[in-house]
Amino acid sequence: GAVVSQHPSRVICKSGTSVKIECRSLDFQATTMFWYRQFPKQSLMLMATSNEGSKATYEQGVEKDKFLINHASLTLSTLTVTSAHPEDSSFYICSAPRSGVLGAGGGYTFGSGTRLTVV
Amino acid sequence: AQTVTQSQPEMSVQEAETVTLSCTYDTSESDYYLFWYKQPPSRQMILVIRQEAYKQQNATENRFSVNFQKAAKSFSLKISDSQLGDAAMYFCAYHDRGGSEKLVFGKGTKLTVNP
Repeated sequence: GAVVSQHPSRVICKSGTSVKIECRSLDFQATTMFWYRQFPKQSLMLMATSNEGSKATYEQGVEKDKFLINHASLTLSTLTVTSAHPEDSSFYICSAPRSGVLGAGGGYTFGSGTRLTVV
Repeated sequence: AQTVTQSQPEMSVQEAETVTLSCTYDTSESDYYLFWYKQPPSRQMILVIRQEAYKQQNATENRFSVNFQKAAKSFSLKISDSQLGDAAMYFCAYHDRGGSEKLVFGKGTKLTVNP
């Protein structure tokens, strides 16, 4: 149980275009979704926290206008990389509390990640 | 702010042997959770084991066990009878209870299992 489906797994886009990454909770409702970025051979860096029906909370140094996060329903959160540039190339991962809500302490389930390459 | 430190960038172990991965953390909170996650080459994050800070008993999951030393803020992972499939990046992670509950990750340890 507690599966998060992330799509696409890989995407190549041209510089200046926008790319949308989707994360769907398949068998549970996720009120909160965390979005991470991971550079090669490095750890996961939290970019933002999205909550269903409200604005996302961004970590310091993350550009809100470049990384648009929408959490319009309890089963879908999206990350849109706008006006992508080669330096945005990275591995993006979403994650949700296994229980669907914060505070339950059940750990987190992760999407399978999206490898974005901007050319 | 909470921090998680993994001092071993790389470790190797012979198949069927035992290996221990180190993790220390810093927090002023008394109630929190600690995790070990495995990230194989597929890059899918997989939960290995979870420890609740208020529980003194060390968590175990089959061949995986932890040595949780709360006073020392240490949380090491022991893998027994290592298998080729255990080869992966291992991340130690922390989150407090009742706050933002954001996961704070260490930098990871790359484990190689030699046949």
